[in-house]
Amino acid sequence: ETGVTQTPRHLVMGMTNKKSLKCEQHLGHNAMYWYKQSAKKPLELMFVYNFKEQTENNSVPSRFSPECPNSSHLFLHLHTLQPEDSALYLCASSQGSYQGTYNSPLHFGNGTRLTVT
Amino acid sequence: GQQLNQSPQSMFIQEGEDVSMNCTSSSIFNTWLWYKQDPGEGPVLLIALYKAGELTSNGRLTAQFGITRKDSFLNISASIPSDVGIYFCAAISSGSARQLTFGSGTQLTVLP
Repeated sequence: ETGVTQTPRHLVMGMTNKKSLKCEQHLGHNAMYWYKQSAKKPLELMFVYNFKEQTENNSVPSRFSPECPNSSHLFLHLHTLQPEDSALYLCASSQGSYQGTYNSPLHFGNGTRLTVT
Repeated sequence: GQQLNQSPQSMFIQEGEDVSMNCTSSSIFNTWLWYKQDPGEGPVLLIALYKAGELTSNGRLTAQFGITRKDSFLNISASIPSDVGIYFCAAISSGSARQLTFGSGTQLTVLP
């Protein structure tokens, strides 16, 4: 069982809808991340939170709005998305504040498959 | 930005065959990582390499950190059906930024 749980697993939404993705980690980590995974492309880092503070926003459009109320929970609020935003959205956590360093590897959730119609 | 060129993009092999995939870059990295993503799941770390020239094994998997620090390869010996999935290389840059960059993945299919 993964220590990082994402809900929902699948989401279909229209371009005018507002929805939220949820991520919870049970590993006691202090850093959490949102990645976007599109077919045959490298994983794209979207946001990084360290001890609930956002430390990185990788030029993500404002229609994606992250929220990190505590070190165990991370949300991604979605509104007025475009069809090209359809992808697998992966949440990850790590002990250290840097992504996947040798003493703090990334632990990924199983992702939310998002389809924007 | 930094890019990792991962090849091949996809592979179809017979069960029992050995597999080799690699990642190259024009940039120098301090750490190389190999992840596997099973269908419907998130990536899982397989092997981490921290030193140029380092060769590390994890069961039937062997990976090497290139001596130039610009490349890495992953070998899988005697493939089995559960080896199916997407394999990603990833690397961490030197310097204070310590950015993690992923390759585009190798889709492996193992035929019975």
